[in-house]
Amino acid sequence: GAVVSQHPSRVICKSGTSVKIECRSLDFQATTMFWYRQFPKQSLMLMATSNEGSKATYEQGVEKDKFLINHASLTLSTLTVTSAHPEDSSFYICSARDPRAHTDTQYFGPGTRLTVL
Amino acid sequence: SQQGEEDPQALSIQEGENATMNCSYKTSINNLQWYRQNSGRGLVHLILIRSNEREKHSGRLRVTLDTSKKSSSLLITASRAADTASYFCATDSLGSGAGSYQLTFGKGTKLSVIP
Repeated sequence: GAVVSQHPSRVICKSGTSVKIECRSLDFQATTMFWYRQFPKQSLMLMATSNEGSKATYEQGVEKDKFLINHASLTLSTLTVTSAHPEDSSFYICSARDPRAHTDTQYFGPGTRLTVL
Repeated sequence: SQQGEEDPQALSIQEGENATMNCSYKTSINNLQWYRQNSGRGLVHLILIRSNEREKHSGRLRVTLDTSKKSSSLLITASRAADTASYFCATDSLGSGAGSYQLTFGKGTKLSVIP
C-alpha cells in the first residue's frame, strides 16, 4: 500500500525557535495533504488542508502565521511551527490522498512528536 | 471541530470477549472509517464503509453503518491482548473551506483487553 513518511519522528526544541516537519508521499502523488495535531489522550484535530501549488486552508482557530504550511510538490508538504512555545508541544500527523486515483483512502504518516522546552 | 463521537470512552474486557464501540456523527458523509492507534504511535487504518453500505467485515472486525441514525459500530470478536489500543472513527466529508474531502475524527474509545 501507499506509504507516507514524516521527518523527524521526534524533535525537542527551545521556546522561541522554529521547527520544520516534513511529510512525504513515497510511492504516489499526493495532490492533497492534511496536517493534524493530537494532544495526549485526545483525538486528532485537523489543522489545515493543503493542495499542491496553492495556499493551505486552515481550520478555525489555527493560526496560519504560526503554522506555516508549504506544499510545493506532489510528494512533499512541510509544516513549520514558528516561534514555538511549550503549549505547541504535541503529536503532529500528516496524511495524504490522491483524488485523481478515485480512491477514498487517506494515508497517514507515523507522526512527529514535538516537545518545546 | 469534532464530528464523530465514540462511546464508550473507555472499555475493559477479558481476552476472548467481544468488544463493541459506537460512533455518532452529525453531517452527511461520503464514507466512515475506523482506525486504531497504539499509545504514542501512528494510525492504523482498519476498515472503510461507504455511505451506501450497511455492513462490512474484515477478519475479526465487523462494522455497521446506519445513515438514518448517523451512527456506526465497530465489533471486534474474540478479542486478544494485542487489540489493546485506542480506536477512532473518522467521517469523510466535503470540507467547508478547502473544497476537498477531509477526515474528521471522533474522540476515540480506549480499549483494554485483559489477558
